[in-house]
Amino acid sequence: EAGVAQSPRYKIIEKRQSVAFWCNPISGHATLYWYQQILGQGPKLLIQFQNNGVVDDSQLPKDRFSAERLKGVDSTLKIQPAKLEDSAVYLCASSRQGRTYNEQFFGPGTRLTVL
Amino acid sequence: GENVEQHPSTLSVQEGDSAVIKCTYSDSASNYFPWYKQELGKRPQLIIDIRSNVGEKKDQRIAVTLNKTAKHFSLHITETQPEDSAVYFCAASGGAGQNFVFGPGTRLSVLP
Repeated sequence: EAGVAQSPRYKIIEKRQSVAFWCNPISGHATLYWYQQILGQGPKLLIQFQNNGVVDDSQLPKDRFSAERLKGVDSTLKIQPAKLEDSAVYLCASSRQGRTYNEQFFGPGTRLTVL
Repeated sequence: GENVEQHPSTLSVQEGDSAVIKCTYSDSASNYFPWYKQELGKRPQLIIDIRSNVGEKKDQRIAVTLNKTAKHFSLHITETQPEDSAVYFCAASGGAGQNFVFGPGTRLSVLP
């Protein structure tokens, strides 16, 4: 089965600019996660979707970050305007929906550098 | 909310020796504890996980132990090899579909 796809793989922008990331989860996976991983730290959950609904966005900086998953498949994460501290790898992950504990499969990530 | 601590932050072992990484969590409702391995520039990959209804799980050279009373779990790697060198993350989750909280990571170096 194909893995989680993300694009772009790398992005360099100036502060105050906007940027968008795209994620395509594994087919059939209802749950989609966006994580921010700052260099030397563990992934930090930004937002979790179940189908096209938001389950948890408590750590999403909503004044500048937004995310959507309109048809319950692909998702986009946007930052507007970007700050220097947003430099990080943005990881998308997906898992199956169900009552059992489900493994998260990660995409390759998008490395964002804000200058 | 959940808070996960992980120790040590760096660990160097000789090839063939064992490595142990420990994590503690704060939320007693957490019941799923995966471990991920992340090689430089690559995505995290699940290497082993444990549910709260068991105390230990083993998969070849890798094992995980869980102490729910003390709220800590550990990763054990035996007969370490250079290809085990990576950053290892523990995580805790409250159940299916619920968010994961990751530890800060342990950088393991296996010296030949």
